[in-house]
Amino acid sequence: SQQGEEDPQALSIQEGENATMNCSYKTSINNLQWYRQNSGRGLVHLILIRSNEREKHSGRLRVTLDTSKKSSSLLITASRAADTASYFCATDLTGGGNKLTFGTGTQLKVEL
Amino acid sequence: DTAVSQTPKYLVTQMGNDKSIKCEQNLGHDTMYWYKQDSKKFLKIMFSYNNKELIINETVPNRFSPKSPDKAHLNLHINSLELGDSAVYFCASSQAEGGAFFGQGTRLTVV
Repeated sequence: SQQGEEDPQALSIQEGENATMNCSYKTSINNLQWYRQNSGRGLVHLILIRSNEREKHSGRLRVTLDTSKKSSSLLITASRAADTASYFCATDLTGGGNKLTFGTGTQLKVEL
Repeated sequence: DTAVSQTPKYLVTQMGNDKSIKCEQNLGHDTMYWYKQDSKKFLKIMFSYNNKELIINETVPNRFSPKSPDKAHLNLHINSLELGDSAVYFCASSQAEGGAFFGQGTRLTVV
């Protein structure tokens, strides 16, 4: 069954605005990761947050993790047209043997 | 240099055929994976190998057989291809609890 559910499924914003995507999961995790996928390409790892961390930053990306609510959010600040892509959360489950279980993805479109 | 490379990028074949997809990583990672992405972009793990040893084998038809000749290579062989096998197949590698590096994908179309 699907571990991660992402919300919204699609998001359209103007360049310069912030984009927030949410991910919910069901079971205990070692870490949660966010990936970007441009159309027709492979996935690119963006950021990893461990289960004992609450917030992490990388450039214009900010990720939060709330293990009590089993949820995470990805914030992209000052978005650019080049940020247009699908974004996936993936959970590394406790005892899962490095198996990543992916969410359903959020399709982000950043318009000029 | 490409970190995770898989070939071919596109594969069009008839039902019933047998085909292979090759994957190589030059990152020195111990763990390699095969994922399948369907037309709705849903990604599902198929197999995972750690140091040439199979550690994850999801519910995948036994027509799919992974082979890892060494820890830098993980190939996927598919027998008796069916229409429903059409998808994009991604190879990936990772080390310990780090993020995974993905190949560019192989778009398989079964006609």
